[in-house]
Amino acid sequence: GQQLNQSPQSMFIQEGEDVSMNCTSSSIFNTWLWYKQEPGEGPVLLIALYKAGELTSNGRLTAQFGITRKDSFLNISASIPSDVGIYFCAGQGLSGGSNYKLTFGKGTLLTVNP
Amino acid sequence: SQTIHQWPATLVQPVGSPLSLECTVEGTSNPNLYWYRQAAGRGLQLLFYSVGIGQISSEVPQNLSASRPQDRQFILSSKKLLLSDSGFYLCAWSVQPPETQYFGPGTRLLVL
Repeated sequence: GQQLNQSPQSMFIQEGEDVSMNCTSSSIFNTWLWYKQEPGEGPVLLIALYKAGELTSNGRLTAQFGITRKDSFLNISASIPSDVGIYFCAGQGLSGGSNYKLTFGKGTLLTVNP
Repeated sequence: SQTIHQWPATLVQPVGSPLSLECTVEGTSNPNLYWYRQAAGRGLQLLFYSVGIGQISSEVPQNLSASRPQDRQFILSSKKLLLSDSGFYLCAWSVQPPETQYFGPGTRLLVL
């Protein structure tokens, strides 16, 4: 089946620093999604990417859909303490019968020191 | 706008007891619905998905079952809970296209 490798697994940074995380896939995806999850809550959608090469921003967050369709990255600029949480990437494949199912990365745990 | 509700928020149950978790979606029609389990704060495992009333697909063999009695209602059940059923259960919905999934607040289940 499809697998996603998300890295890094965890990051410890100082407030104000920029953050970069990425996901790579063994197969092609037609949609990439980035979620943030805070303790005890459900994941919240941050950015959705639907087109290869697409670069999308949401405030201090920027994500790109890799041109090969097998990777995506998420950047956070000028981190603040409330950026703390687990960031998940998710991809949706091209197989017609299971188009509605997502494959999730294992998450990047972000800690921001004030 | 669409909203998704899950209840209860937290549940502590003894081993061998039954389970019923409920998920409802508002503000959309004929959504695809999903149940996930998340262990130890990482790794979402898809348990069930449904593309319509009465249509349930199971992703992994397990002690749980799902039902969709109404268009916007999804229920996760068990007849007899196991210790290994403990975890954080998340419901999600999507509409096609583009099938972007939106998650509910989750239910924390502890089986003792």
